[in-house]
Amino acid sequence: KNQVEQSPQSLIILEGKNCTLQCNYTVSPFSNLRWYKQDTGRGPVSLTIMTFSENTKSNGRYTATLDADTKQSSLHITASQLSDSASYICVLFFMNNNAGNMLTFGGGTRLMVKP
Amino acid sequence: NAGVTQTPKFRVLKTGQSMTLLCAQDMNHEYMYWYRQDPGMGLRLIHYSVGEGTTAKGEVPDGYNVSRLKKQNFLLGLESAAPSQTSVYFCASNPGAEGGYEQYFGPGTRLTVT
Repeated sequence: KNQVEQSPQSLIILEGKNCTLQCNYTVSPFSNLRWYKQDTGRGPVSLTIMTFSENTKSNGRYTATLDADTKQSSLHITASQLSDSASYICVLFFMNNNAGNMLTFGGGTRLMVKP
Repeated sequence: NAGVTQTPKFRVLKTGQSMTLLCAQDMNHEYMYWYRQDPGMGLRLIHYSVGEGTTAKGEVPDGYNVSRLKKQNFLLGLESAAPSQTSVYFCASNPGAEGGYEQYFGPGTRLTVT
């Protein structure tokens, strides 16, 4: 079983609407939790980084939350734009692991924003 | 500052052929990584390097080899390509502790093995 599960796998919303993407994890504690945006045909780009003790972090219209009790994180997108169409990947970072085990990736949520 | 670059962007190979994917970074990062990304799956680590002249195996290293002769370059080799190696390959680098281990990804190489 993957240590980081994301839901939904895919989502279609209309431009201007809000949406929330979920990330459930099984391993903790970790050093930080990251959300990445991956445009089609491009590499992932960092959106937010939250330490284990933080419970919210914003980057423009993107707001990530973290609930350590339920082992869940969410990424909320406000007033969606066509350019938000991308995959969103949840990643756990473990600073004390060796360099090859520092990052654990979720499978991603593919978001499509339609006009 | 180009960041992380990868060549080629696309490649089609026949089964049994060999090729090398090149990753270059101009940020003086110590750590470099090769991942593969398959539909419906998360990024999986193939090999990584913690500095010039070092390499180590990741989660899915079979069928691949790597070299890090220069700090800025990390090469991924396929000696005898198989259809199971059809995937999108991403290189990444990070600066280590001084940069918060922030991971920077390249644009990817789409490889098809027929």
